[in-house]
Amino acid sequence: DGGITQSPKYLFRKEGQNVTLSCEQNLNHDAMYWYRQDPGQGLRLIYYSQIVNDFQKGDIAEGYSVSREKKESFPLTVTSAQKNPTAFYLCASKDGGLVAVSGANVLTFGAGSRLTVL
Amino acid sequence: AQSVTQLDSQVPVFEEAPVELRCNYSSSVSVYLFWYVQYPNQGLQLLLKYLSGSTLVESINGFEAEFNKSQTSFHLRKPSVHISDTAEYFCAVTPINTDKLIFGTGTRLQVFP
Repeated sequence: DGGITQSPKYLFRKEGQNVTLSCEQNLNHDAMYWYRQDPGQGLRLIYYSQIVNDFQKGDIAEGYSVSREKKESFPLTVTSAQKNPTAFYLCASKDGGLVAVSGANVLTFGAGSRLTVL
Repeated sequence: AQSVTQLDSQVPVFEEAPVELRCNYSSSVSVYLFWYVQYPNQGLQLLLKYLSGSTLVESINGFEAEFNKSQTSFHLRKPSVHISDTAEYFCAVTPINTDKLIFGTGTRLQVFP
């Protein structure tokens, strides 16, 4: 079955350490996204990528970095510069390009990665 | 700029009671509207969407939402909830001809026996 795989599901990190969250999709989707979820704040966009080797900052990109070397993969690195990294991180993908056609803006989400900084 | 408001952060109901989860949006352009559901420790799943046509849209598990352009609302309703409907529900909008999806802050639906 096609879908999005995020790993690890749970991750603990000491302050000052970088950590990379994996996101792999086999849906042949062009666009991929990283969201951060905090209680009472909904989902906030960190980074997104519409094609390979290209990505853009979202609303809260500071302290994060991404790469898009392959269509299937969009890893997120949470750096030590991120002041409050403890959160639930969600990766998503969708088909289609910039122009929204019927159904094209429906995101498929992974199961998430919960990062806790000790 | 666009925004989505979900006024109720939590909605407790008893099983088999009706429920309405409210969603209002603000946008200077036309939008597509979505409801996503998130079960505990999982990602989000699309529940239903309004793109065009009939303003009343339905999901396969008994939820429905009605797009009201004059009130800029897209409230989610179910006439009789089940314990298994306990989850967090997110309303979201996409301005037409953009690639941007804007989420509300979510409403936690808790169904009690």
